[in-house]
Amino acid sequence: SQTIHQWPATLVQPVGSPLSLECTVEGTSNPNLYWYRQAAGRGLQLLFYSVGIGQISSEVPQNLSASRPQDRQFILSSKKLLLSDSGFYLCAWSVGGPRGGGKTQYFGPGTRLLVL
Amino acid sequence: GESVGLHLPTLSVQEGDNSIINCAYSNSASDYFIWYKQESGKGPQFIIDIRSNMDKRQGQRVTVLLNKTVKHLSLQIAATQPGDSAVYFCAEMGGGSNYKLTFGKGTLLTVNP
Repeated sequence: SQTIHQWPATLVQPVGSPLSLECTVEGTSNPNLYWYRQAAGRGLQLLFYSVGIGQISSEVPQNLSASRPQDRQFILSSKKLLLSDSGFYLCAWSVGGPRGGGKTQYFGPGTRLLVL
Repeated sequence: GESVGLHLPTLSVQEGDNSIINCAYSNSASDYFIWYKQESGKGPQFIIDIRSNMDKRQGQRVTVLLNKTVKHLSLQIAATQPGDSAVYFCAEMGGGSNYKLTFGKGTLLTVNP
């Protein structure tokens, strides 16, 4: 069965510091990968998605970036965090391949980020 | 722009009752819909999905109804249990994107014992 991991689970960072959140998926090959952010009491906002190694699509322009160095690894980064970057960051995966679109997305446990 | 919203932000039911959570969507080109359950501090958990060529789909204790005429989606939970207490999100996809899910704001379901 497929599993998705995120770490760290929680993170407290000062404003202006760098960020690196990691997501890995097991039990599937060539998945589509996604990064979402969820503000407190709100729905999910898609930040980035990737259909393959090195392929990143950005949905929201901001000081965050994403990278996919390996097939089942997705990284969310920032060079300088802002207070507004605080939130719950969720990684998700879906079945990939030529017919990978329009498929159910499965979420990881999330990383809670607090920027002070 | 496209939006998916929920009629009721909170819903409180008695254990054993049936629950109905509603969702309205505005993008008539959406062709895939998902319901997620999110417990406090956890990632959303897939419950059930439905494509636009269907108007009803049943799972274990859950049923999703889709009314494309009025662009309305609902999730029915039978014999609601305390473990069903969570925030429920509807999400839609389509209208030119096969990857972007647009989420509603969520409904908090509280089950009273």
